[in-house]
Amino acid sequence: EVQLVESGGGLVKPGGSLRLSCAASGFTFSTYSMNWVRQAPGKGLEWVSSISSSSTYIYYADSAKGRFTISRDNGKNSLFLQMNSLRAEDTAVYYCARDRQPVDYWGQGTLVTVSS
Amino acid sequence: AIQMTQSPSSLSASVGDRVTITCRASQAIRDYLNWYQQKPGKAPKLLIYTASNLQSGVPSTFSGSRSGTDFTLTISSLQPEDFATYYCLQDYNYPPTFGGGTKVEIK
Repeated sequence: EVQLVESGGGLVKPGGSLRLSCAASGFTFSTYSMNWVRQAPGKGLEWVSSISSSSTYIYYADSAKGRFTISRDNGKNSLFLQMNSLRAEDTAVYYCARDRQPVDYWGQGTLVTVSS
Repeated sequence: AIQMTQSPSSLSASVGDRVTITCRASQAIRDYLNWYQQKPGKAPKLLIYTASNLQSGVPSTFSGSRSGTDFTLTISSLQPEDFATYYCLQDYNYPPTFGGGTKVEIK
C-alpha cells in the first residue's frame, strides 16, 4: 500500500523557517518524481515544487522561488521542503504527492501556520 | 502559466442526478488533464487521468472527456459519497495548475 506521511509543520513567526518531511513507503520511491502542493485554509490547491526521481530536475512556483528548497533522499525514501523567509500567505496544509504524470497519491498533509 | 478555468464554482444536486463540471485551459494541453475529488479534511483523490482514463478503484459513474481545450467531468448518477469538492489539474507543462474547484452540495 502506498503511504506518504508528512511531518514538520507547526506555528512559525513571519520571517522564520521550517523543514517539512515526507516519509514514503509501499512503492519504489527512487523511481518517482515527487511534488509539494499546498492548500490555504478554505482555498483551492496550489502546486509548490517538484523534483524528479534522481533530483536532476527541480521546479518551483513563483511564490516559492528563492525561499523554498525541495530535496530528497532516495536511500531513506524521504522528501523534504526547506521553507525560509516565511510569510503569512504561506499558511496552508502542505501535501506531498507522488507523480508519474499524473499525480496519483497524496499524503494527509501537515499544517504550517505563519503568524506572530 | 496555463490558466485553468473551472465551472461552476459550486452546485447543488440530488442523489441520482447527473452532474457535469468543466475546466477550460487557456492554451492547448492535449490530454494532460486530471480530475481529483477532495472531501473536508482529507487529501485529494485521483479520479480521472489524461482526460478520460478512470483511475483504478474509482466507480464507473465517473467519466471524463475532452473537446479541444474544454474538459468535462461527469458523474452519471450522484451518490451520497460523491458530495465533495472537485479539482482539475493540468500537467502538460510547468507550472502545473489547478482549476479553482467545484463544490458539489446536497440539494
